[in-house]
This record gives sequence, structure tokens and C-alpha cells, in this order.
Amino acid sequence: EVQLLESGGGLVQSGGSLRLSCVASGFAFSSYSMSWVRQAPGKGLEWVSTFGPSGNTYYADSVKGRFTISRDSSKSALTLQMNSLRAEDTAVYYCAKNGAVTDKDFDYWGQGALVTVSS
Amino acid sequence: EIVLTQSPGTLSLSPGERATLSCRASQSVSSSYLTWYQQKPGQAPRLLIYGASSRATGIPDRFSGSGSGTDFTLTISRLEPEDFAVYYCQQFGSSRWTFGQGTKVEI
Repeated sequence: EVQLLESGGGLVQSGGSLRLSCVASGFAFSSYSMSWVRQAPGKGLEWVSTFGPSGNTYYADSVKGRFTISRDSSKSALTLQMNSLRAEDTAVYYCAKNGAVTDKDFDYWGQGALVTVSS
Repeated sequence: EIVLTQSPGTLSLSPGERATLSCRASQSVSSSYLTWYQQKPGQAPRLLIYGASSRATGIPDRFSGSGSGTDFTLTISRLEPEDFAVYYCQQFGSSRWTFGQGTKVEI
């Protein structure tokens, strides 16, 4: 059974930093792309970042230069380092596994970690 | 960046009725990279349809996806009580993933 467990959310002041972690189990972690998707309170879904199996990384324009995605395959862990946080970064952050067929969808999701940025 | 526009914003229907949800892209999207999700309050999204028309594992056959180019449709043939939720389309293109704003299916 695929499981994704996020941690590291919390309250941080504007301009501050926070590090989210996601520990995966139930699949061959190093073989799949892994992503972060966020959802602001009462809003829709927004893709944040993806780490491909070959080490390539992708970022939404809204976070480029401020957020860094990384992975440790030995620990089946995905991390999102978030710097220079802004009020508009307040959201539930989901860790997601990219799909097995096309790699361009998200077939499993974690329960989410709430990040609140106070101004 | 490709923008996905979903309509209607809210769909008010009764159990047993048919639901038709639309997702329109600002430019052509590869059918291989058009996906639909369901999200219930307080829960993470769930993958329903990938590749525009392929059901994900465990998804009932009352859910179907169709379309190509810039116009895609999610159809729920007969609504069950557990189908009342928000539905999102999503696409991949130019190294970016984008979501539509969602359609709420309410009783």
C-alpha cells in the first residue's frame, strides 16, 4: 500500500523559512517523479514543484528562486525547503507521487501539511 | 502557460442524475496529459481519470472522460451520494503542471 506522510508544517512569519518533509512507502521511490501541490484555504489546487527520477527539477514561477525541492532515495524522503515566505504561500501542502503511466499526473497524495505565513 | 477553465463553477443535481463537467484549455493539450481529480472536504484529491479517458485503479465505471485538443469532459453517468464533491482537471505542458479552478457538484 502506497503511503505518503508529510511533516514540518506550522506557523512562520513573513520572510521566514520552513522545511517540509514527506516520507514514502509501498513503492520503488527512486523510480518515480515526486511532487508538491498546494491548496490555499478555500481555494483550488496549485502545482508547486516536481523532482524527476533522473534528478531534474521543476518549479512554478510563483516559488522559483525561493523554494528548493530535494529527495533522499536512501530514506524514501522528499523535502521542500521554503525560504522568503510570503502570506500568499499560506496553504495546505500535499506531497504527491507522479503516475506510473505518463508521469504527468498524481496518483497518490499525502494527507497534507498546513503552512501558515503571518504578516 | 496553459490556462484551464472549468464550467460550470457549481452543478446542482440529484442522486441518480447525470453530471457533465467541462474543462477548456487556452491552447491545445496532449490528451495523454489531461487528468481529472475528485476532492471531498478535508481530504486530499483522488485521481479519477488520466490520459483524458483512462480510469484510475478502483474508479467505478460510472466515471468517464473524453475530449481532445482544447475541450475535455468528465461525465458521471448516475450520481451516487458519495460523488458530491469538487472536481479538478489538470494538464502538463512546457514543463509545467496546471489545474483548473474546479467544479463543485452539489446536491
